[in-house]
Amino acid sequence: KAGVTQTPRYLIKTRGQQVTLSCSPISGHRSVSWYQQTPGQGLQFLFEYFSETQRNKGNFPGRFSGRQFSNSRSEMNVSTLELGDSALYLCASSLQEGPGELFFGEGSRLTVL
Amino acid sequence: QQPVQSPQAVILREGEDAVINCSSSKALYSVHWYRQKHGEAPVFLMILLKGGEQKGHEKISASFNEKKQQSSLYLTASQLSYSGTYFCGTEGSGGGADGLTFGKGTHLIIQP
Repeated sequence: KAGVTQTPRYLIKTRGQQVTLSCSPISGHRSVSWYQQTPGQGLQFLFEYFSETQRNKGNFPGRFSGRQFSNSRSEMNVSTLELGDSALYLCASSLQEGPGELFFGEGSRLTVL
Repeated sequence: QQPVQSPQAVILREGEDAVINCSSSKALYSVHWYRQKHGEAPVFLMILLKGGEQKGHEKISASFNEKKQQSSLYLTASQLSYSGTYFCGTEGSGGGADGLTFGKGTHLIIQP
């Protein structure tokens, strides 16, 4: 079956701009989580959505937001980009709500100049 | 509180054994292990639950010491395909409200 699909795979933005990243989970998976991966901090939890509702949120500023649609597809948005937002943003889907077996996408690599 | 993984990196010959440790300062409900190869998505290896239940696959084993909030991943008779970065993710005993908190990873290189 098809895996988790993230688009775009690579993008370059400048400070102050905003960006929207998209994630299509594995068919039948209702939970979508987002993680930020950087060399210095590793994988950091951003938020989790289940049945269109945000269930959990990590320790990130309000510039980071997300949503989930009725078909379980999810988007995350980062507004007023900062240099430190440069990272690989990973989306993971799972069957159940909460930490379980996560299926990660290959990520969207964001570079902020 | 981010769990601490050790060692940070290890280089082995094919067929040798490796142990990767994960230690947390908070009470844990579960420990999750993932492997990420360069340029690829992290892949699930195993979940260890409080109470001793273990779920996973592949020829890799792990332990979870609830009292010490520690977990160890054991790779026996390592294969070239085991190379990658291993992450442990922890879930606190209060539930998964903060998602998984991952360590910074252990880089494992298996040489022929």
